Amino acid sequence: QVQLEESGGGLVKPGGSLRLSCAASGFTLRDHYMTWIRQAPGKGLEWISHISYTGTSIYYADSVRGRFTISRDNAKNSVYLEMSSLRADDTAVYYCARDFYGSSLDLWGQGALVTVSS
Amino acid sequence: DIPMTQSPSSLSASVGDRVTITCRASQTIGTYLNWYQHKPGKGPNLLIYRASSLQSGVPSRFSGSGSGTDFTLTISSLQPEDFATYYCQQSYSAPFTFGPGTKVDIK
Repeated sequence: QVQLEESGGGLVKPGGSLRLSCAASGFTLRDHYMTWIRQAPGKGLEWISHISYTGTSIYYADSVRGRFTISRDNAKNSVYLEMSSLRADDTAVYYCARDFYGSSLDLWGQGALVTVSS
Repeated sequence: DIPMTQSPSSLSASVGDRVTITCRASQTIGTYLNWYQHKPGKGPNLLIYRASSLQSGVPSRFSGSGSGTDFTLTISSLQPEDFATYYCQQSYSAPFTFGPGTKVDIK
């Protein structure tokens, strides 16, 4: 079955760190750019980062640049988001998604909730 | 960054209605515009890519049009399963920003 599954979400204190994982199944991960998107409570979707096929090209939104790190391990069919210096406004559901034609996103996970609170 | 706007922010409609949502980019983006449907508790679902191409498996009542800065998503006959929030997204240049969303609910 073609799917993505996020894990690693949870409650973390301000200034803390957390690592999200995205496990891919049913397709060849190395054939796709991969993207992380988040949705804060009551807010819309925010594109935050993507990574190229082998990780040589990476882009971050200004809101997370310098604090978040995206990576991938094609042999393990996984993509990661390392988050540090977390703030209350990083509280959100984090989705990983597969890039399709023209950087549209044709496959999404169910999301992982990250709550930053003391 | 390319800010995106959508209108309306919400609408109420009945089953069978024709619904139109508009999306505007702050600069020209060609046809690098995608539309998604999002329901609570699920990941979003790609409906339209490159402004007017229907994603595989998406019902033909959904259609997209536009180029440059102005785009439209049309649902020709609203069905009960279509009540959701709809987002546009530009994929012209990173960061690939989303619009603020349009919530479609039952009248």
